[in-house]
Formats: sequence, structure tokens, C-alpha cells
Amino acid sequence: NAGVTQTPKFRVLKTGQSMTLLCAQDMNHEYMYWYRQDPGMGLRLIHYSVGEGTTAKGEVPDGYNVSRLKKQNFLLGLESAAPSQTSVYFCASSPHSSGGAYEQYFGPGTRLTVT
Amino acid sequence: KNQVEQSPQSLIILEGKNCTLQCNYTVSPFSNLRWYKQDTGRGPVSLTIMTFSENTKSNGRYTATLDADTKQSSLHITASQLSDSASYICVVSLYGNNRLAFGKGNQVVVIP
Repeated sequence: NAGVTQTPKFRVLKTGQSMTLLCAQDMNHEYMYWYRQDPGMGLRLIHYSVGEGTTAKGEVPDGYNVSRLKKQNFLLGLESAAPSQTSVYFCASSPHSSGGAYEQYFGPGTRLTVT
Repeated sequence: KNQVEQSPQSLIILEGKNCTLQCNYTVSPFSNLRWYKQDTGRGPVSLTIMTFSENTKSNGRYTATLDADTKQSSLHITASQLSDSASYICVVSLYGNNRLAFGKGNQVVVIP
């Protein structure tokens, strides 16, 4: 049982390049989330999904797109990377809504640098 | 304006000593409050989750308290160990919402 895994672990992009971050969970969770963590700030929600085939915007969605074609996978795409997207990205999953007292399980993170 | 404020921002304590971390929040309506531990270079790991009706919850040497009336929570670490060196993040869940409001974290360093 691997929990939540993220690939890649590290990536360096040049401004304007595109990439996709992959998140996978093996806990059969309905809800999945993408966050970014920047120095001196709390984690901020980018996009989330409440089930296969669904996506919704979070607090800071601009410049990102997501897809949830399979229940176990949640992809985060950057179409044209900008230096402001330099951050550590975390994926998380939970069995039900965060409005209930359900744990969110986090992946190990992807450190992205955009030059 | 951050809806979840934590103090102190950072703390250095001697191994074996106790410490208490504070969290004040303005999130409303409130559903539940969580404390996470985040080791350097890793994802956050849940320590406790408390609903508005709970005022204390323990997980080993970690004890969280909640006062929903004053919108304050604390995390007490008993007999600290070197492995307790981490960032401790207070997180508040909004009622009827899929979102969490994260604090910036309390950075704890335990020294021998």
C-alpha cells in the first residue's frame, strides 16, 4: 500500500515550457487535491476533484489545468510555466469531503523550479 | 488576510522538554480543526482532527486542545525528542466546504 505517490520528485523548467505532474493514490479515495507550498505561506489549494471525471477550482487556479480520467490518478498541468510557479507541489487524497472529519493524506511533493 | 494564525513562528527546545504551540483562527462556519506534522522535504502527516464538539485529543506525546468559543487551539508536545523537529501546521475546515485553511506553521527545532 503505497498511499499517495507523486512523479516527478524534482523538475527544472524554462519559462514557457509545459509539463504535467502526476499524482496516484491506491486507497480508493474519492477526493483528490493539488496544493502549492511557498516559503512563508500556508499551503494553498490549486484545484481539486470530488470523483472520477470531475474537477473544480481552488484558491489559486490560474495557470494550471487538471484532469481526473481515472479515480486513482489526478494530473496537474502547466501549459506555459512562469517563474511565479516555482514552488513545491503537494497532492492529497481523502475518502470524503474535508468538511467532514476525514483525513487528507499527502504525497511526498514535487519541487518545481522555473527559470 | 490569513484566517489561521500560528505562534510562535519558530521555537528551539531542549530534548526532553515540553512545548506548546498556539493557533488562532477566524474561519467561520467552522467544521473541524487539524494539526499536521511536516518533516523537512516531506508531505504533511495528520496528528489530530477535532470537531467543534471536542476540546482535547491525544496522539501519543501530542495533545491538541480546542476552544471553539474563543477560536483557539493548542498543540502540546510532551518530553520532546529529536524526531519532533518539524513544522507543525494548524488547519481549519470550513463547514459544508471542500476546502481547508492552512496556517503558516510553527517551526520546532529540538536540540540535544
